[in-house]
Amino acid sequence: DTAVSQTPKYLVTQMGNDKSIKCEQNLGHDTMYWYKQDSKKFLKIMFSYNNKELIINETVPNRFSPKSPDKAHLNLHINSLELGDSAVYFCASSHFYGLAGGPEQFFGPGTRLTVL
Amino acid sequence: TQLLEQSPQFLSIQEGENLTVYCNSSSVFSSLQWYRQEPGEGPVLLVTVVTGGEVKKLKRLTFQFGDARKDSSLHITAAQPGDTGLYLCAGSMLTFGGGTRLMVKP
Repeated sequence: DTAVSQTPKYLVTQMGNDKSIKCEQNLGHDTMYWYKQDSKKFLKIMFSYNNKELIINETVPNRFSPKSPDKAHLNLHINSLELGDSAVYFCASSHFYGLAGGPEQFFGPGTRLTVL
Repeated sequence: TQLLEQSPQFLSIQEGENLTVYCNSSSVFSSLQWYRQEPGEGPVLLVTVVTGGEVKKLKRLTFQFGDARKDSSLHITAAQPGDTGLYLCAGSMLTFGGGTRLMVKP
């Protein structure tokens, strides 16, 4: 039983292409996230959705567009891929934490994106 | 932006040794999480600390939240090769520290 799943696991593509990463969670959570982890393992929040609504949108190029068709899915579409987009992208989910506490997040296995 | 600094960045020890890693900030957190990430996988939650001065134990791992809720530590007793991984702390605004990479040699 995979709690948070991502596809694909690996993605190798050319500069300028458009690609999507899919994420699904079966934990019944109402909040989902996308993180980017660079080569130095620094994990940075990109987006967060609660009940299909965008609640966090960090300073991310508008080439990145998340889409949440329902509470269990959060996909990430990237247009006009650049070399600097190469990284591991993690999807995560949690119950909504509001403003008071930090969420206990469950992470997917990651998607390693390589832009050539 | 709340910043979390972790130290040391890298730690290589022999099996059976004890170690402590730290997570520090100038900001106050309402809660703080510790995660462990193994190569090729996503981070896995180890513990959440909420109350200043709180101590939580998870087998050989002891987590402490500072009294002022600005810092936390993770102490591992008698480290084993299975403890090898990247240890990340995370604050209440989805902020992660840079991590401590631990290698435990048999």
